[in-house]
Amino acid sequence: EIVLTQSPTTMAASPGEKVTLTCRASSSVSYMHWYQQRSGTSPKLWIYETSKLASGVPNRFSGSGSGTSYSLTINSMETEDAATYYCQQGSSYHTFGAGTKLELK
Amino acid sequence: EVQLVESGGGLVKPGSSLKLSCVASGFTFSSYGMHWIRQAPKKGLEWIALIYYDSSNKYYADSVKGRFTISRDNSKNTLYLEMNSLRSEDTAMYYCAKSGYGYNYFDYWGQGVMVTVSS
Repeated sequence: EIVLTQSPTTMAASPGEKVTLTCRASSSVSYMHWYQQRSGTSPKLWIYETSKLASGVPNRFSGSGSGTSYSLTINSMETEDAATYYCQQGSSYHTFGAGTKLELK
Repeated sequence: EVQLVESGGGLVKPGSSLKLSCVASGFTFSSYGMHWIRQAPKKGLEWIALIYYDSSNKYYADSVKGRFTISRDNSKNTLYLEMNSLRSEDTAMYYCAKSGYGYNYFDYWGQGVMVTVSS
């Protein structure tokens, strides 16, 4: 099973701050996908195939990476971005990272 | 607009069975793979099952293999999850999700249905 390790577990960012979340895979994967989950709601696809923004996702978000190391970056933090972000791989069955909780400072 | 609506959850005793349903609309259901994903209270996400668009292939997480069965009825635009021999660790919110391209990600999720296994 491919294990995904997300870091940090929790972080706080101020409005306007640049934020980078990372996801490391225990084995190489072809793509990484990211989901946003706000409190009390179901997850939403946020970034797919490493760097493609899902419909409606603001362009302050971006994704990058390859092999075993991937990241999600927010260029300028906004209030609405406070949520938990999960990475997920589908190269070998499907596994999720434990999530990064992003809070507003 | 894509909509996925789950139902069938509830409180059950350990060892019992339950069948979840997910009614899909807003897309050609018979053309897409579908998944079940669960989330234990205050925990992360766990993928548990995938069924191909034509039911030709089904895959399960080890944690549910042999106990859970995924199925679909394309004439009813409905996805199912039959859960047997339920355990306390199966307590979770269960989401159905539509496959993105190549079965590799989940592009639409339902609102979820809660299953609680407790004596």
